[in-house]
Amino acid sequence: KAGVTQTPRYLIKTRGQQVTLSCSPISGHRSVSWYQQTPGQGLQFLFEYFSETQRNKGNFPGRFSGRQFSNSRSEMNVSTLELGDSALYLCASSAGTYNEQFFGPGTRLTVL
Amino acid sequence: DQQVKQNSPSLSVQEGRISILNCDYTNSMFDYFLWYKKYPAEGPTFLISISSIKDKNEDGRFTVFLNKSAKHLSLHIVPSQPGDSAVYFCAVYNYGQNFVFGPGTRLSVLP
Repeated sequence: KAGVTQTPRYLIKTRGQQVTLSCSPISGHRSVSWYQQTPGQGLQFLFEYFSETQRNKGNFPGRFSGRQFSNSRSEMNVSTLELGDSALYLCASSAGTYNEQFFGPGTRLTVL
Repeated sequence: DQQVKQNSPSLSVQEGRISILNCDYTNSMFDYFLWYKKYPAEGPTFLISISSIKDKNEDGRFTVFLNKSAKHLSLHIVPSQPGDSAVYFCAVYNYGQNFVFGPGTRLSVLP
């Protein structure tokens, strides 16, 4: 089975711009979660989608949004980028409740 | 307020010895616990998990111990190998909620 893929792998944007990140889960996985990783902060949960519905949401501002398509692929959008949004954004998929999550390689976003 | 703590940001161990990584959580409702390993420029990789009905789970060189009364879990790696050098995250979960990850412990296994 192919693993979780994320595109693009690297992205450089300037403040005020918006960005869209994409995630393709493992085939058959219906749950997709997004995390932000910054140095010293571990993985901060952004949101989880299951069957095209947002099931859980972390404590991030409304500039961070996402969606999931019928084929389980997911996108994450960040509008009005700030310098502090520079981070590694990780996507993880799982088969369902109480199943471990499988992570993609991440998208490294740099905001200048 | 951190729900999951890994109080050791880093740990160094000699090759062949035991590595013990610790994790503490605050919410007794968590009932599923996992450990992930992360190499630079890669996403975290699942290592081992344990449910709250058990107190120990083994998989090869990796053993996870759960002490529910103390809200503490640990990962033992025996024997440690240089390839185990990575950042280790513990994660906790309860039904209907999201996974919560600790801040990570950087393990260095010295040859």
